[in-house]
Amino acid sequence: GENVEQHPSTLSVQEGDSAVIKCTYSDSASNYFPWYKQELGKRPQLIIDIRSNVGEKKDQRIAVTLNKTAKHFSLHITETQPEDSAVYFCAASWNDYKLSFGAGTTVTVRA
Amino acid sequence: DTAVSQTPKYLVTQMGNDKSIKCEQNLGHDTMYWYKQDSKKFLKIMFSYNNKELIINETVPNRFSPKSPDKAHLNLHINSLELGDSAVYFCASSPWGNTEAFFGQGTRLTVV
Repeated sequence: GENVEQHPSTLSVQEGDSAVIKCTYSDSASNYFPWYKQELGKRPQLIIDIRSNVGEKKDQRIAVTLNKTAKHFSLHITETQPEDSAVYFCAASWNDYKLSFGAGTTVTVRA
Repeated sequence: DTAVSQTPKYLVTQMGNDKSIKCEQNLGHDTMYWYKQDSKKFLKIMFSYNNKELIINETVPNRFSPKSPDKAHLNLHINSLELGDSAVYFCASSPWGNTEAFFGQGTRLTVV
């Protein structure tokens, strides 16, 4: 099955700086790579996703890049704000029924 | 207007008891899931159903039995609860052919 590794496990950044989270996956058949944000005590919510036919996708302050050859993808958050503090999960999927999640990155934005 | 709703939100029970968690989605999705989130925040899929049919059972103990009476509902029944079952259980749904998952608010299960 798919194995997704996520680094770092914790990330502390100064407000206004950028944050980068990296994930690698094992199954070369994976073709869908979403990122979820989970605030304390809340449900995970999709913030951005990318499919294997695209190398980069951007939505305002967040962007995701995908390197299929190296089997890794990254989340970039620019101009971080206190409300960006949360746990972020990457995931990978090769079929329509199962998302394999990374272990999560706890992001803390210092004011 | 809640898209994916699960009840109860909190569940405290003693070891050995049997309990159920209910999940309903009003998004018209074909696929529903149960995920378990442990104390280290790791999200692991337990079951996946498509149009009421079991698609994925990720080596979950058979004390856990999902039931899907229709494609809008996926309930989870747990027999003989153990301390290690304490976790947050999330129900989720997604459209057919699209793997974006919409999560319910979670059920925090505490076994004492």
